[in-house]
Amino acid sequence: GQQLNQSPQSMFIQEGEDVSMNCTSSSIFNTWLWYKQDPGEGPVLLIALYKAGELTSNGRLTAQFGITRKDSFLNISASIPSDVGIYFCAGYDRGSTLGRLYFGRGTQLTVWP
Amino acid sequence: KAGVTQTPRYLIKTRGQQVTLSCSPISGHRSVSWYQQTPGQGLQFLFEYFSETQRNKGNFPGRFSGRQFSNSRSEMNVSTLELGDSALYLCASSLLASGSSYNEQFFGPGTRLTVL
Repeated sequence: GQQLNQSPQSMFIQEGEDVSMNCTSSSIFNTWLWYKQDPGEGPVLLIALYKAGELTSNGRLTAQFGITRKDSFLNISASIPSDVGIYFCAGYDRGSTLGRLYFGRGTQLTVWP
Repeated sequence: KAGVTQTPRYLIKTRGQQVTLSCSPISGHRSVSWYQQTPGQGLQFLFEYFSETQRNKGNFPGRFSGRQFSNSRSEMNVSTLELGDSALYLCASSLLASGSSYNEQFFGPGTRLTVL
């Protein structure tokens, strides 16, 4: 199956700092997604990217779909305590006719007040 | 609109037993996908159901099975439980089945299964 390498595994930052995390794959995807998971909850979609080179923002979050279609990054600007959680990248592989999601291992973000 | 609901939220079983987990999708959604989440392997796709038919399956043994009912509710079953089956099982619903383009999946809170 597809392998997604997400880094860093964890981050400890101070409130107000910017955060950057990225994801690389051994294969190309036609859609990249970024999710956030809070404790006791399922992942929630933050940003979806559909075209190589696409740069998309959602409030303080910005994500880009790499030109090679094998990577993506997520930036969070001016972090706040509620940004704490696990961030996952995911690639959508449409296969021949049946698509499915492949997930990175996640980045655990801790924000100090 | 109510989100995806999963029952039970927590479950403790012993090795060799079987377990059934339930997922109710968002009203109007017809596709349900199941995922296993563990610290070691992360989130892994189990299977997808659409219109009561399994459309896609991940790389899991036959002990993992599922079904979907006419109202789109889905159940997954794990037989002959092993210690390694301890995980958070997430289901996600989407309006349409997975295909050539991504259809947004909405995740439920998961069922935490512990196998002793």
